[in-house]
Amino acid sequence: SSELTQDPAVSVALGQTVRITCQGDSLRTFYASWYQQKPGQAPLFVIYGENNRPSGIPDRFSGSTSGNTASLTITGAQAEDEADYYCNSRDSSGNHWLFGGGTKLTVL
Amino acid sequence: QVQLVESGGGVVQPGGSLRLSCAASGFTFSSFAMHWVRQAPGKGLEWVAAISSETPKKYYADSVNGRFTIFRDNSKDTLYLQMNSLRVEDTAVFYCAKDVESSGPGNYGMNVWGQGTTVTVSS
Repeated sequence: SSELTQDPAVSVALGQTVRITCQGDSLRTFYASWYQQKPGQAPLFVIYGENNRPSGIPDRFSGSTSGNTASLTITGAQAEDEADYYCNSRDSSGNHWLFGGGTKLTVL
Repeated sequence: QVQLVESGGGVVQPGGSLRLSCAASGFTFSSFAMHWVRQAPGKGLEWVAAISSETPKKYYADSVNGRFTIFRDNSKDTLYLQMNSLRVEDTAVFYCAKDVESSGPGNYGMNVWGQGTTVTVSS
């Protein structure tokens, strides 16, 4: 498959836990990475590999993969987490990279 | 600090050409693979092209293959994207991004992004 599929929108109450998912056949072979993008800003790298956070990313962000589905979990969502989130991976051939369509997270 | 700064965007007519540049600083540019990613107005991210660090191997999205060329000058710490035969649907903000892994491109994504340069293809 040459696609990564994300839910277009998800909402979470302030302080609660939310999981954003990304489905694709390539995720059985390659890791997903996750990016946060706020309006007018460049994407920010938040999760990579099995479950790794770049320096400066709060530990409320975590990642996991099961089968063909990768997940980004925010435990105790904050108002500043409201953003678009994109998953990314190589495709099954390994010669292209894919982005999911993005999930708009609303913190209520 | 690690930084990427894109330039070269602008308005061009369909069928025209444009060359984007991405100046890197704060890391050993020659050791890392690099990517171009674009975002059409109001749309999501789309990977465009990637280039390995040395003896460059190049990768292209099907949508740009044959029209765009990615290349790099390690002596100038600069990444380029030559865009020919531009189409209206190429209108987007173009970001350059650094691969996580040295000697990539690898499997861990893109850990540093520039602020982007805007390309508008319109008659």
